[in-house]
Amino acid sequence: DQQVKQNSPSLSVQEGRISILNCDYTNSMFDYFLWYKKYPAEGPTFLISISSIKDKNEDGRFTVFLNKSAKHLSLHIVPSQPGDSAVYFCAASYLTGNQFYFGTGTSLTVIP
Amino acid sequence: DAMVIQNPRYQVTQFGKPVTLSCSQTLNHNVMYWYQQKSSQAPKLLFHYYDKDFNNEADTPDNFQSRRPNTSFCFLDIRSPGLGDTAMYLCATKGDSSTNTQYFGPGTRLTVL
Repeated sequence: DQQVKQNSPSLSVQEGRISILNCDYTNSMFDYFLWYKKYPAEGPTFLISISSIKDKNEDGRFTVFLNKSAKHLSLHIVPSQPGDSAVYFCAASYLTGNQFYFGTGTSLTVIP
Repeated sequence: DAMVIQNPRYQVTQFGKPVTLSCSQTLNHNVMYWYQQKSSQAPKLLFHYYDKDFNNEADTPDNFQSRRPNTSFCFLDIRSPGLGDTAMYLCATKGDSSTNTQYFGPGTRLTVL
């Protein structure tokens, strides 16, 4: 059973605009969440993370928001750039654990 | 640069012919993972090692085996590949730290003919 879900397989955004990628999870015990970016023919690259004690974490153009009551997190990319075009995976884990649960990914296309 | 390396990047094998994929890391991380990822699907954890302790996922087929001879290397052995084993195989590592983050290799794309 998929514990982490990304319901939008794809998203297209104009360059310079905001990209918002969404992720939902079912297990309220997860306390650490990550976003990975994956280019074709490469492995996923860690992008940004957030622990459940926070509701927002920023790193440059990337911000992750966590809504624990809704079991929902989102990744905001502002401004979007063509180089951001990739597949983005959301993952959840237990902060002290070794297992990670991935969503199916959202393919982002940033149109120049 | 510290990194996770996978070899080969592309592998083609015949149905039923054993194949071994390798992963090495220079991060000195004590956890190593093998994932299988098929097109448009989430990476599926096959197993992971915490140091030498092997942790198999309940739904990983017996056809998939792993070896970790030392901290740096981990191997995935597929004893009798089937057509359904065609996929990207990703190796990842994680260290013991306050940042619970995995680092992935570039993957091996396996095609079973």
